[in-house]
Amino acid sequence: ELKVEQNPLFLSMQEGKNYTIYCNYSTTSDRLYWYRQDPGKSLESLFVLLSNGAVKQEGRLMASLDTKARLSTLHITAAVHDLSATYFCAVDREYGNKLVFGAGTILRVKS
Amino acid sequence: DTAVSQTPKYLVTQMGNDKSIKCEQNLGHDTMYWYKQDSKKFLKIMFSYNNKELIINETVPNRFSPKSPDKAHLNLHINSLELGDSAVYFCASSQVGQGSGNTIYFGEGSWLTVV
Repeated sequence: ELKVEQNPLFLSMQEGKNYTIYCNYSTTSDRLYWYRQDPGKSLESLFVLLSNGAVKQEGRLMASLDTKARLSTLHITAAVHDLSATYFCAVDREYGNKLVFGAGTILRVKS
Repeated sequence: DTAVSQTPKYLVTQMGNDKSIKCEQNLGHDTMYWYKQDSKKFLKIMFSYNNKELIINETVPNRFSPKSPDKAHLNLHINSLELGDSAVYFCASSQVGQGSGNTIYFGEGSWLTVV
C-alpha cells in the first residue's frame, strides 16, 4: 500500500527565511503533485512533477522530484506572509491520477 | 467561470437523512473524482469515473453512491447519514492520458455537517 509522508507537519517561520518541506513515498511512482490549501478553501495546484529529476519553480516556491529516493521537496525562498497555508504533496498510486495525499504541512509565516 | 463547481457548498442535516452533492466540470476532462477531507484535513479518494465508467471505488460504505450521467457531471448521493460522515467533500477532474499534463482540478468543496 502506498504511503506518503510529509515533514514537518507544522512549520512556523519568519519572513525572509528559507525552508524546505519534504515528501517521502513508499512505492515506485514518477508522478508527484503539490497543492496549496488556504483555510476553508479548495486545493490549488502548484506543481506537477512527472519524471525523475524534474524541477519546477513558481515565484518563491521550487519543487523537485527524485524518484530513486522516492522523495520530493518543496523549497521556500525568502518567505512572505502570503505563503501561509497548508501544503499537500500527493503521489499517483497508479496511472490514472489516483492520488494518495500526505497529511499536509501547515506553514505559518510570521511578519 | 468556475472550472469545477459543486453544490451545495454548505449542508447541515440530521442523522438518518439522505442527501446529494452535485458536481459539474467545464474543462472537457474525461475523469472525475470524489475526495473526502476529514476534520484532521486528511484527504482520501473515494471514487473515480472515467467517461461515465466507475474506475475507482475505495473502501467506502455502500451508503455512498456516485452517479455520472455524463462525463461532465459526477454526483454523490449519501443514504442514512451518520455523524462520522461530517467532512468536506471535494469533487475534482482531470484529463487522463499521455501528454495531458495530468493536473487535477478541485472544486470548492461541500461542507457536510451531520447533527
